[in-house]
Amino acid sequence: EEQLEESGGGLVQPGGSLKLSCAASGFAFSNYWMSWVRQAPGKGLEWVASIKQDGSEKYYVDSVKGRFTISRDNAKTSMYLQMNSLRAEDTAVYYCARGAERCFDNWGQGTLVTVSS
Amino acid sequence: QSALTQPASVSGSPGQSITISCTGTSRDVGTYDLVSWYQQHPGKAPKLMIYDVSKRPSGVSGRFSGSKSGNTASLTISGLQAEDEADYSCCSYAGSRTWVFGGGTKLTVL
Repeated sequence: EEQLEESGGGLVQPGGSLKLSCAASGFAFSNYWMSWVRQAPGKGLEWVASIKQDGSEKYYVDSVKGRFTISRDNAKTSMYLQMNSLRAEDTAVYYCARGAERCFDNWGQGTLVTVSS
Repeated sequence: QSALTQPASVSGSPGQSITISCTGTSRDVGTYDLVSWYQQHPGKAPKLMIYDVSKRPSGVSGRFSGSKSGNTASLTISGLQAEDEADYSCCSYAGSRTWVFGGGTKLTVL
């Protein structure tokens, strides 16, 4: 069964840092673009970042450029999101999603990040 | 990178058909045939229902269909069933390896 499982969310103060992880299983992880998509409480989905199969290309939504870094380790079938200089508006459930070429065809259950003092 | 526009809510009775619109611009929906739709039940992860404007992934009911005209894409659900009650979000490629989602539409089955 193809699965994605996020971890690493929690409560962090404004200006703080957090690193999210996404563990993949059941499919050839290294063959796929991977992405992070977030959803603020009561709001719609927002694409955050995507990374190419070999990690050579990375793309970000403007609001997180310079603060967030997406990475992956194909040997560990895992993807990561390093989040620095966190702001209240970054509070959201962060989903790991497979794909970024045509759509996002497989999603994890999400991990909640709360930025608050 | 402005969000696509969807109605906040739509409703229909069991057996009826409903259509949810998703309006973008010539920089996203109007240029690329890379519109997808996602179903999300409360507290659950999104599920892909339509991709490439009108294609259905394996396992998705034929009651779900998608289309596009100009800058507006649409999701139609026919033969509404109680389990269709959920939030539906559209997504479009916006060029330069970026993506934009709609604000989501809450579907209520009366």
